[in-house]
Amino acid sequence: AQSVTQLGSHVSVSEGALVLLRCNYSSSVPPYLFWYVQYPNQGLQLLLKYTSAATLVKGINGFEAEFKKSETSFHLTKPSAHMSDAAEYFCAVSDGVGGATNKLIFGTGTLLAVQP
Amino acid sequence: KAGVTQTPRYLIKTRGQQVTLSCSPISGHRSVSWYQQTPGQGLQFLFEYFSETQRNKGNFPGRFSGRQFSNSRSEMNVSTLELGDSALYLCASSSSRDRGKNIQYFGAGTRLSVL
Repeated sequence: AQSVTQLGSHVSVSEGALVLLRCNYSSSVPPYLFWYVQYPNQGLQLLLKYTSAATLVKGINGFEAEFKKSETSFHLTKPSAHMSDAAEYFCAVSDGVGGATNKLIFGTGTLLAVQP
Repeated sequence: KAGVTQTPRYLIKTRGQQVTLSCSPISGHRSVSWYQQTPGQGLQFLFEYFSETQRNKGNFPGRFSGRQFSNSRSEMNVSTLELGDSALYLCASSSSRDRGKNIQYFGAGTRLSVL
Protein backbone atom coordinates (compact mmCIF):
# COMPACT_ATOMS: atom_id res chain seq x y z
CA ALA A 1 0.00 0.00 0.00
CA GLN A 2 1.11 3.52 -0.70
CA SER A 3 2.07 5.83 2.16
CA VAL A 4 4.05 8.96 2.92
CA THR A 5 5.94 9.92 6.04
CA GLN A 6 6.71 13.52 6.86
CA LEU A 7 9.56 13.89 9.32
CA GLY A 8 9.00 16.75 11.72
CA SER A 9 5.52 17.96 12.53
CA HIS A 10 6.91 21.42 13.31
CA VAL A 11 9.80 23.18 11.62
CA SER A 12 10.98 26.67 12.51
CA VAL A 13 13.38 28.72 10.38
CA SER A 14 14.55 32.30 10.35
CA GLU A 15 13.51 34.61 7.57
CA GLY A 16 16.04 34.27 4.74
CA ALA A 17 17.17 30.80 5.84
CA LEU A 18 16.88 27.58 3.88
CA VAL A 19 13.59 25.71 4.15
CA LEU A 20 13.80 21.91 4.09
CA LEU A 21 10.69 19.82 4.66
CA ARG A 22 11.16 16.07 4.49
CA CYS A 23 8.93 13.49 2.87
CA ASN A 24 9.57 9.79 2.33
CA TYR A 25 7.18 7.62 0.38
CA SER A 26 6.32 3.99 0.03
CA SER A 27 4.75 2.84 -3.19
CA SER A 28 4.38 -0.46 -4.98
CA VAL A 29 4.14 1.28 -8.34
CA PRO A 30 6.00 4.25 -9.83
CA PRO A 31 4.53 7.04 -7.77
CA TYR A 32 3.08 10.40 -8.52
CA LEU A 33 4.06 12.75 -5.69
CA PHE A 34 2.75 16.11 -4.63
CA TRP A 35 3.33 18.91 -2.17
CA TYR A 36 0.40 21.02 -1.05
CA VAL A 37 0.32 24.07 1.22
CA GLN A 38 -2.52 25.05 3.52
CA TYR A 39 -2.88 28.49 5.04
CA PRO A 40 -5.12 28.97 8.08
CA ASN A 41 -8.80 28.52 7.33
CA GLN A 42 -8.13 27.72 3.72
CA GLY A 43 -8.04 24.68 1.46
CA LEU A 44 -5.02 23.01 -0.09
CA GLN A 45 -2.99 24.74 -2.76
CA LEU A 46 -0.87 22.64 -5.10
CA LEU A 47 2.78 23.68 -4.79
CA LEU A 48 4.35 21.20 -7.15
CA LYS A 49 4.02 17.72 -8.59
CA TYR A 50 6.22 14.86 -9.74
CA THR A 51 4.58 12.79 -12.44
CA SER A 52 7.58 10.82 -13.75
CA ALA A 53 9.16 13.53 -15.86
CA ALA A 54 12.17 15.51 -14.56
CA THR A 55 13.29 14.45 -11.09
CA LEU A 56 13.88 18.07 -9.99
CA VAL A 57 10.52 19.74 -9.90
CA LYS A 58 10.01 23.47 -9.57
CA GLY A 59 6.83 24.81 -8.12
CA ILE A 60 5.23 28.07 -7.16
CA ASN A 61 6.55 30.62 -4.69
CA GLY A 62 10.18 29.55 -5.20
CA PHE A 63 9.75 26.00 -3.89
CA GLU A 64 11.26 22.95 -5.48
CA ALA A 65 11.52 19.24 -4.73
CA GLU A 66 13.73 16.43 -5.92
CA PHE A 67 12.51 12.91 -6.51
CA LYS A 68 15.13 10.40 -5.34
CA LYS A 69 14.08 6.86 -6.05
CA SER A 70 17.09 5.33 -4.28
CA GLU A 71 16.15 7.15 -1.08
CA THR A 72 12.35 7.00 -1.65
CA SER A 73 12.32 10.68 -0.83
CA PHE A 74 10.67 13.81 -2.17
CA HIS A 75 11.91 16.62 0.07
CA LEU A 76 10.66 20.17 -0.38
CA THR A 77 13.14 23.04 -0.34
CA LYS A 78 13.26 26.81 -0.70
CA PRO A 79 16.56 28.69 -0.61
CA SER A 80 15.31 31.68 1.37
CA ALA A 81 12.28 31.65 3.65
CA HIS A 82 9.80 34.50 3.66
CA MET A 83 7.34 35.35 6.39
CA SER A 84 4.51 34.54 3.99
CA ASP A 85 5.73 30.91 3.78
CA ALA A 86 4.42 30.22 7.28
CA ALA A 87 1.76 27.56 6.74
CA GLU A 88 1.19 23.82 6.93
CA TYR A 89 2.69 21.67 4.19
CA PHE A 90 1.45 18.27 3.11
CA CYS A 91 3.20 15.65 1.05
CA ALA A 92 0.94 13.26 -0.87
CA VAL A 93 1.31 10.16 -3.03
CA SER A 94 -1.07 8.76 -5.58
CA ASP A 95 -2.82 5.61 -4.49
CA GLY A 96 -2.06 3.28 -7.35
CA VAL A 97 -1.80 3.93 -11.03
CA GLY A 98 -3.13 7.22 -12.27
CA GLY A 99 -6.41 6.96 -14.07
CA ALA A 100 -7.51 3.91 -12.14
CA THR A 101 -8.02 6.01 -9.05
CA ASN A 102 -7.80 9.66 -8.23
CA LYS A 103 -7.16 9.00 -4.55
CA LEU A 104 -4.31 10.75 -2.78
CA ILE A 105 -2.65 9.50 0.39
CA PHE A 106 -1.48 12.41 2.54
CA GLY A 107 1.23 12.72 5.12
CA THR A 108 0.49 14.13 8.54
CA GLY A 109 1.71 17.57 7.62
CA THR A 110 4.54 19.86 8.69
CA LEU A 111 3.79 23.23 10.24
CA LEU A 112 6.38 25.73 9.10
CA ALA A 113 7.06 28.76 11.29
CA VAL A 114 9.20 31.61 9.99
CA GLN A 115 10.87 33.80 12.60
CA PRO A 116 11.74 37.42 11.81
CA LYS B 1 -11.01 30.54 -14.66
CA ALA B 2 -12.83 30.17 -11.36
CA GLY B 3 -11.49 27.65 -8.89
CA VAL B 4 -13.28 24.94 -6.97
CA THR B 5 -16.20 26.42 -5.05
CA GLN B 6 -17.55 24.85 -1.91
CA THR B 7 -20.68 25.94 -0.09
CA PRO B 8 -21.37 26.69 2.63
CA ARG B 9 -18.01 27.62 4.15
CA TYR B 10 -19.18 27.03 7.71
CA LEU B 11 -21.94 24.89 9.11
CA ILE B 12 -23.14 24.09 12.61
CA LYS B 13 -25.35 21.08 13.21
CA THR B 14 -26.44 19.00 16.17
CA ARG B 15 -26.02 15.28 16.68
CA GLY B 16 -28.50 13.16 14.77
CA GLN B 17 -29.13 15.72 12.05
CA GLN B 18 -28.08 15.32 8.47
CA VAL B 19 -26.10 17.71 6.30
CA THR B 20 -25.46 18.27 2.61
CA LEU B 21 -22.32 19.96 1.31
CA SER B 22 -21.91 21.25 -2.21
CA CYS B 23 -18.94 21.45 -4.55
CA SER B 24 -18.68 23.10 -7.95
CA PRO B 25 -15.53 21.98 -9.79
CA ILE B 26 -13.36 24.02 -12.07
CA SER B 27 -15.11 24.51 -15.39
CA GLY B 28 -14.45 21.53 -17.65
CA HIS B 29 -13.35 19.22 -14.84
CA ARG B 30 -15.34 16.00 -14.65
CA SER B 31 -13.74 14.38 -11.62
CA VAL B 32 -14.63 15.44 -8.09
CA SER B 33 -13.10 13.93 -4.97
CA TRP B 34 -13.96 14.54 -1.33
CA TYR B 35 -11.62 14.47 1.67
CA GLN B 36 -12.16 14.84 5.39
CA GLN B 37 -9.56 16.70 7.45
CA THR B 38 -9.44 16.36 11.24
CA PRO B 39 -6.66 17.08 13.75
CA GLY B 40 -6.61 13.46 14.84
CA GLN B 41 -6.90 11.56 11.56
CA GLY B 42 -5.44 14.10 9.16
CA LEU B 43 -6.57 14.11 5.55
CA GLN B 44 -8.60 11.09 4.54
CA PHE B 45 -10.17 10.23 1.21
CA LEU B 46 -13.95 9.89 1.22
CA PHE B 47 -14.90 9.18 -2.41
CA GLU B 48 -14.46 10.20 -6.01
CA TYR B 49 -17.02 10.82 -8.70
CA PHE B 50 -16.25 10.89 -12.38
CA SER B 51 -18.93 11.46 -15.01
CA GLU B 52 -21.68 10.94 -12.42
CA THR B 53 -20.32 7.56 -11.29
CA GLN B 54 -18.62 6.79 -8.01
CA ARG B 55 -15.18 5.49 -8.99
CA ASN B 56 -13.59 4.95 -5.61
CA LYS B 57 -14.62 5.01 -1.98
CA GLY B 58 -12.64 5.44 1.20
CA ASN B 59 -13.09 3.64 4.48
CA PHE B 60 -16.03 5.57 5.89
CA PRO B 61 -19.39 4.33 7.15
CA GLY B 62 -22.44 4.30 4.96
CA ARG B 63 -23.69 7.49 6.63
CA PHE B 64 -21.37 9.28 4.23
CA SER B 65 -22.67 9.40 0.69
CA GLY B 66 -22.32 11.53 -2.38
CA ARG B 67 -23.48 12.11 -5.87
CA GLN B 68 -22.50 14.00 -8.97
CA PHE B 69 -24.75 15.78 -11.39
CA SER B 70 -24.55 16.02 -15.16
CA ASN B 71 -22.91 19.46 -14.87
CA SER B 72 -20.16 17.82 -12.71
CA ARG B 73 -21.28 19.59 -9.53
CA SER B 74 -21.15 17.25 -6.58
CA GLU B 75 -22.80 16.96 -3.22
CA MET B 76 -21.91 14.91 -0.22
CA ASN B 77 -24.35 13.99 2.49
CA VAL B 78 -23.76 12.87 6.04
CA SER B 79 -26.73 11.41 7.87
CA THR B 80 -27.19 10.92 11.59
CA LEU B 81 -24.35 13.24 12.48
CA GLU B 82 -21.95 12.31 15.26
CA LEU B 83 -19.61 14.55 17.21
CA GLY B 84 -16.67 12.91 15.45
CA ASP B 85 -17.93 14.14 12.10
CA SER B 86 -16.76 17.63 12.99
CA ALA B 87 -14.12 18.36 10.39
CA LEU B 88 -13.04 20.37 7.42
CA TYR B 89 -14.48 18.75 4.30
CA LEU B 90 -12.46 19.42 1.19
CA CYS B 91 -13.49 18.96 -2.39
CA ALA B 92 -11.00 18.59 -5.24
CA SER B 93 -11.48 18.50 -8.98
CA SER B 94 -9.46 17.15 -11.90
CA SER B 95 -9.68 17.39 -15.63
CA SER B 96 -9.77 14.15 -17.56
CA ARG B 97 -6.14 14.65 -18.53
CA ASP B 98 -4.98 15.55 -15.01
CA ARG B 99 -6.91 12.65 -13.53
CA GLY B 100 -4.49 10.31 -15.25
CA LYS B 101 -1.76 11.74 -13.04
CA ASN B 102 -3.82 12.34 -9.90
CA ILE B 103 -3.45 16.10 -10.21
CA GLN B 104 -6.19 17.67 -8.16
CA TYR B 105 -7.18 21.21 -7.28
CA PHE B 106 -8.83 21.86 -3.96
CA GLY B 107 -11.52 24.21 -2.78
CA ALA B 108 -11.45 26.21 0.43
CA GLY B 109 -13.50 23.59 2.25
CA THR B 110 -16.60 23.47 4.40
CA ARG B 111 -15.99 23.50 8.13
CA LEU B 112 -18.65 21.40 9.83
CA SER B 113 -19.14 21.60 13.56
CA VAL B 114 -21.40 19.04 15.22
CA LEU B 115 -22.70 19.99 18.67
